[in-house]
Amino acid sequence: EDQVTQSPEALRLQEGESSSLNCSYTVSGLRGLFWYRQDPGKGPEFLFTLYSAGEEKEKERLKATLTKKESFLHITAPKPEDSATYLCAVLLRAQKLVFGQGTRLTINP
Amino acid sequence: EAQVTQNPRYLITVTGKKLTVTCSQNMNHEYMSWYRQDPGLGLRQIYYSMNVEVTDKGDVPEGYKVSRKEKRNFPLILESPSPNQTSLYFCASSFRGNQPQHFGDGTRLSIL
Repeated sequence: EDQVTQSPEALRLQEGESSSLNCSYTVSGLRGLFWYRQDPGKGPEFLFTLYSAGEEKEKERLKATLTKKESFLHITAPKPEDSATYLCAVLLRAQKLVFGQGTRLTINP
Repeated sequence: EAQVTQNPRYLITVTGKKLTVTCSQNMNHEYMSWYRQDPGLGLRQIYYSMNVEVTDKGDVPEGYKVSRKEKRNFPLILESPSPNQTSLYFCASSFRGNQPQHFGDGTRLSIL
């Protein structure tokens, strides 16, 4: 069975304290991996797409990386406005998308 | 403005009363999809459509129907809603299924 697991479930950091979120997957036929950000009361907002192991993408304080078994979302010197739930999703054959349960990130000023 | 629009945003209804949640996108996207989001379970795909008149089941299709008669619209139909379908529902679209999806702001359904 295709499975996507995100850890930790929740993470609380001080402003400026860097950390990483993990997305590990056990799937057959990975076609790509997406990272999304979700704010309360809103739909997920696209951040990054990664298609192959070794690929990296960067945007402001966020950097996403991909290996054959997992992806990391690195957050460098976060600010309170980075507080949100971060979701990863793996793209499988037949354009099926499977999401992880998300990591709820809180950045304290 | 590029967007995915869902209606209604909130609905409280009773068991067995048929309802439809509409979804419309203005980006000429071919791919559209419905998800439900439940605490502890994350986002789960209900149905998706790769183009007009082409639909397929996701992970949790039981109790739901969809249709794709026009490219821009992808309604979700609950013929006989039950309390276990109480959830937050999202519609999403993309140019192709292997590309990032744009999400609507969600529909919160409560089935009593």
